[in-house]
Amino acid sequence: EVQLVESGGGLVQPGGSLRLSCAASGFTVSSNYMSWVRQAPGKGLEWVSVIYSGGTTSYADSVKVRFTISRDNSKNTLYLQMNSLRAEDTAVYYCARSGLTTFGVPRYYFDYWGQGTLVTVSS
Amino acid sequence: QSALTQPASVSGSPGQSITISCTGTSSDVGGYNFVSWYQQHPGKAPKLMIYEVSNRPSGVSNRFSGSKSGNTASLTISGLQAEDEADYYCDSYTSSSTWVFGGGTKVTVL
Repeated sequence: EVQLVESGGGLVQPGGSLRLSCAASGFTVSSNYMSWVRQAPGKGLEWVSVIYSGGTTSYADSVKVRFTISRDNSKNTLYLQMNSLRAEDTAVYYCARSGLTTFGVPRYYFDYWGQGTLVTVSS
Repeated sequence: QSALTQPASVSGSPGQSITISCTGTSSDVGGYNFVSWYQQHPGKAPKLMIYEVSNRPSGVSNRFSGSKSGNTASLTISGLQAEDEADYYCDSYTSSSTWVFGGGTKVTVL
């Protein structure tokens, strides 16, 4: 069974840093595209970042330079290092998997999501 | 990376059909058949309802259907039920190798 479990959220002051983790089970993180998606309180979904199976990464303009996505293949875990945090980064952060076809071709949609972890940036 | 445009709210009576639109550009919705739709109930994670414009994942009711014309994709819910009351989001892969979501549509069952 595919499962994604996020952790690492919490309260942090503006300008601070936080690292989120997403532990995966039931599939191999490094074989799939893995993304972070966030949702500010009462707002819509916002795509944040992706790490492709080959290791290439991409970011939304709003977090470029400040956030870094990575993975640990030995732990089958996805990470999001967040630096220089701002009040507008306050959100529930979800990790999401883009699966593979039966032939191993990557998909471009999010078929599994974690339960989310809340990040609050406030003094 | 502007968000895709969705109506803020759509409502319908039980048994009716409703359609939610999702408008983008030729760099996202119009350029790829990688449009998907997600349902989100309050306090829950999003759930995939439609992928690649018109495909339904296993387990999703056939009351949900998707289509696309030009830069606009649409989600139709037929035979509206109380359990369909939720927020719905479209998203698309883009020419910048990123994804972009719509602003979300609140569906109310009257």
